[in-house]
Amino acid sequence: GQQVMQIPQYQHVQEGEDFTTYCNSSTTLSNIQWYKQRPGGHPVFLIQLVKSGEVKKQKRLTFQFGEAKKNSSLHITATQTTDVGTYFCAVWGGATNKLIFGTGTLLAVQP
Amino acid sequence: ETGVTQSPTHLIKTRGQQVTLRCSSQSGHNTVSWYQQALGQGPQFIFQYYREEENGRGNFPPRFSGLQFPNYSSELNVNALELDDSALYLCASSFKLAGATGELFFGEGSRLTVL
Repeated sequence: GQQVMQIPQYQHVQEGEDFTTYCNSSTTLSNIQWYKQRPGGHPVFLIQLVKSGEVKKQKRLTFQFGEAKKNSSLHITATQTTDVGTYFCAVWGGATNKLIFGTGTLLAVQP
Repeated sequence: ETGVTQSPTHLIKTRGQQVTLRCSSQSGHNTVSWYQQALGQGPQFIFQYYREEENGRGNFPPRFSGLQFPNYSSELNVNALELDDSALYLCASSFKLAGATGELFFGEGSRLTVL
């Protein structure tokens, strides 16, 4: 079945440093979504990317969809303690009507 | 908040017992999906309900079953609980059928511990 791998699994940064997580698929994706899950919380939708090479920004967060639509990245500029949590990419599994989540990247931010 | 509510928030069961988890979808949403999230893992799709019928299922055994009611609320039932069933169970609602590029709105989850 379809799988999406994320790297790194875990990243610890000092507040103010940048952070990037990468999502990779072996197959071409129709679209990709990103979710954030705070510790002890539930996944919250951040954004969806659809077009090849698409770049979207939300304040300090920059999301990118690869030209071949097989990878995506989330970059956070100047991290803050409120950015702590696990970031998941997710893709639709087609006929099975399921959203397939990546392995996630846990971000820890030290004040 | 998403408007998706789940109950109970926490529960403890013993191996072999049965459990029912409940979910009220966000107003205006007609599709409910259930996910299992083990500690340190990403959510895994269990199944989806649309118009009161199962509309997609993940790699879970038949002892995981569900219902959707006319008001679009849903239940997840798990029979013959096993220790590995210990996890956070997430309900997610959406308006369109999954696969139609819609975002999912998750509830806070029900944390099940099986002893």
